[in-house]
Amino acid sequence: DAGVIQSPRHEVTEMGQEVTLRCKPISGHDYLFWYRQTMMRGLELLIYFNNNVPIDDSGMPEDRFSAKMPNASFSTLKIQPSEPRDSAVYFCASRETSGPGELFFGEGSRLTVL
Amino acid sequence: AQSVTQLGSHVSVSEGALVLLRCNYSSSVPPYLFWYVQYPNQGLQLLLKYTTGATLVKGINGFEAEFKKSETSFHLTKPSAHMSDAAEYFCAVTAYTGRRALTFGSGTRLQVQP
Repeated sequence: DAGVIQSPRHEVTEMGQEVTLRCKPISGHDYLFWYRQTMMRGLELLIYFNNNVPIDDSGMPEDRFSAKMPNASFSTLKIQPSEPRDSAVYFCASRETSGPGELFFGEGSRLTVL
Repeated sequence: AQSVTQLGSHVSVSEGALVLLRCNYSSSVPPYLFWYVQYPNQGLQLLLKYTTGATLVKGINGFEAEFKKSETSFHLTKPSAHMSDAAEYFCAVTAYTGRRALTFGSGTRLQVQP
């Protein structure tokens, strides 16, 4: 079975540009999560969805960040405008509704903002 | 609210030696606990999980962890380290009800010396 698929794997952009990160969760998983990983702050939850509806977006840093899940098989995380401090690895993860809450992670999107 | 604390950001052991990575949790409800491993430039992979029942849980690659409620701990061990165990390890907590996201510790980087 295919795992969680993220794209792009690497993105280098200049400050002020719009960045869009994409995620395809595992088929049948009802929850989707976006995490950010940095050396300074570790793994932070940005937002998560249940059945395509945002449930908790309290971790989204500021209005420059937005996330959508238009259908069960696709989600985007957008940063506009991007800043150097947004440089990080962004992970998408998904899980089933039932069970103890194990998350399945994608390989991440490494973002560098110059 | 739930949290985990991983003691020691870096642990170094010799090949063949015991591996012990420490994790303490805080939770107002019965927790579900996880250990994940992250290899360089990869996503997080589940090592093992505790939900209910047996407090000693076995995972992949010879790792195991013991849930100790009285000590609020979930330490990860492996009797004999292998070079391939060098990676970053994350402890995480969630609960069956309420917030469905995992809260991660800050991680412990394991170095294995030949």
